[in-house]
Amino acid sequence: EAEVAQSPRYKITEKSQAVAFWCDPISGHATLYWYRQILGQGPELLVQFQDESVVDDSQLPKDRFSAERLKGVDSTLKIQPAELGDSAMYLCASSRASSGGNTIYFGEGSWLTVV
Amino acid sequence: SQQGEEDPQALSIQEGENATMNCSYKTSINNLQWYRQNSGRGLVHLILIRSNEREKHSGRLRVTLDTSKKSSSLLITASRAADTASYFCATDEGNNRLAFGKGNQVVVIP
Repeated sequence: EAEVAQSPRYKITEKSQAVAFWCDPISGHATLYWYRQILGQGPELLVQFQDESVVDDSQLPKDRFSAERLKGVDSTLKIQPAELGDSAMYLCASSRASSGGNTIYFGEGSWLTVV
Repeated sequence: SQQGEEDPQALSIQEGENATMNCSYKTSINNLQWYRQNSGRGLVHLILIRSNEREKHSGRLRVTLDTSKKSSSLLITASRAADTASYFCATDEGNNRLAFGKGNQVVVIP
C-alpha cells in the first residue's frame, strides 16, 4: 500500500537554527498538506497545496516558516530561525483532489525538539 | 483552527468491551473522518462518513453522524489491546481541509 513518506523522523535543533522537513506524497495525489501537532492536541493545518500552488497558508507563521512544492510532487517545510515553541510533530498528508469528500492520508510525522 | 470536540477525552476499558466516543462540531460539514494515532506515530484513517449518511460500518467500527445535533460517535466493538491509541475526529467543510478535535485517549486493558 502506498504511503506518504517523511524525513527526518526525529530532529533536535538549537534555538535560532534552521531546520527543514521533507515529504513525498502518495503518487498521483494532487493535494498536499503540512500539519503541526503539539503533544496532547489535535493536528492543526499549516499549509495546503494543490499541485504546486498554495491553496491555504493562513495559519503558517510566515515570518519564520516557509513551504514549497516546486514541481507539484514532493514538498519541503522550513523553519528559520527555530524557537522553543516550535517543538512539535510535523505531519505531511496527501489526497487525490481538493474537493470535499476525499480521504486524506498521513505520513508518520517528523518530531522536532528545539533546545 | 480546531473544530471537533471529543468526549470523553480519556477512556479506559477491559479487553472485549465496547468503546464509544463522541465528537461535536460547530459548522456545516461535507464529511467527517475518524483517525487513530498510536503513540508517537502518524494518523491512520479509519472511516469517512458523508453529511448525507447516518451510519457507516467498517469491521469492528461503527460511526454515526447526526448533522442536526452536529455530532458523531465512534463505536469500537470487542476491543483489543491493540486498539489502545488516540482517536481523532476531523471535519471537512467541503474544501478537503480537515479541522481536528483534541482527541480521545483510549486504553484497552488486557
